[in-house]
Amino acid sequence: EDQVTQSPEALRLQEGESSSLNCSYTVSGLRGLFWYRQDPGKGPEFLFTLYSAGEEKEKERLKATLTKKESFLHITAPKPEDSATYLCAVSFGGAQKLVFGQGTRLTINP
Amino acid sequence: DGGITQSPKYLFRKEGQNVTLSCEQNLNHDAMYWYRQDPGQGLRLIYYSQIVNDFQKGDIAEGYSVSREKKESFPLTVTSAQKNPTAFYLCASKFRLDGGELFFGEGSRLTVL
Repeated sequence: EDQVTQSPEALRLQEGESSSLNCSYTVSGLRGLFWYRQDPGKGPEFLFTLYSAGEEKEKERLKATLTKKESFLHITAPKPEDSATYLCAVSFGGAQKLVFGQGTRLTINP
Repeated sequence: DGGITQSPKYLFRKEGQNVTLSCEQNLNHDAMYWYRQDPGQGLRLIYYSQIVNDFQKGDIAEGYSVSREKKESFPLTVTSAQKNPTAFYLCASKFRLDGGELFFGEGSRLTVL
């Protein structure tokens, strides 16, 4: 079964405490992996697209990496404004099916 | 500014009533989508449209209907046949069906009283 699983469900960090969020997937024919940030009551905001194993993308304190089975979103020296739910989504197959993980709720305490 | 506009942001409905959620985009995107988001679950696809006058059912289309009469607009009707309609609804679009990332609107929260 095609699945996308994010872990942990929730993560609470102190400001400046670096960590990583995980997105593991079991799909056939990966076309792309997407990371989004979602604030409460808002629509998801696009962060990164990764297409092949070994690829990395960076934006401010965030860095996304991709292997053949999972992706990591590394957050370095986070600030309270980085608090949000982070979603990953995987596009796969000939029909460009897109499956979302359930998200990781990140809280950064000052 | 280019973007996706959803309205209303909040909507209350009595059981047995149909409601229509609006989605308009000025990004010149061909493909448009409707997702439903429930607490603790990933986004689930309701309907999508690749071009005007064409749309396809997603994973949870029962109790919903859509139309695509204009490239810019993709309204979603939540009918009385939808058993559990209270949810956060997200409209999204992308340049074309077979590539690129989705861009989302701000969402509409529907509550059935």
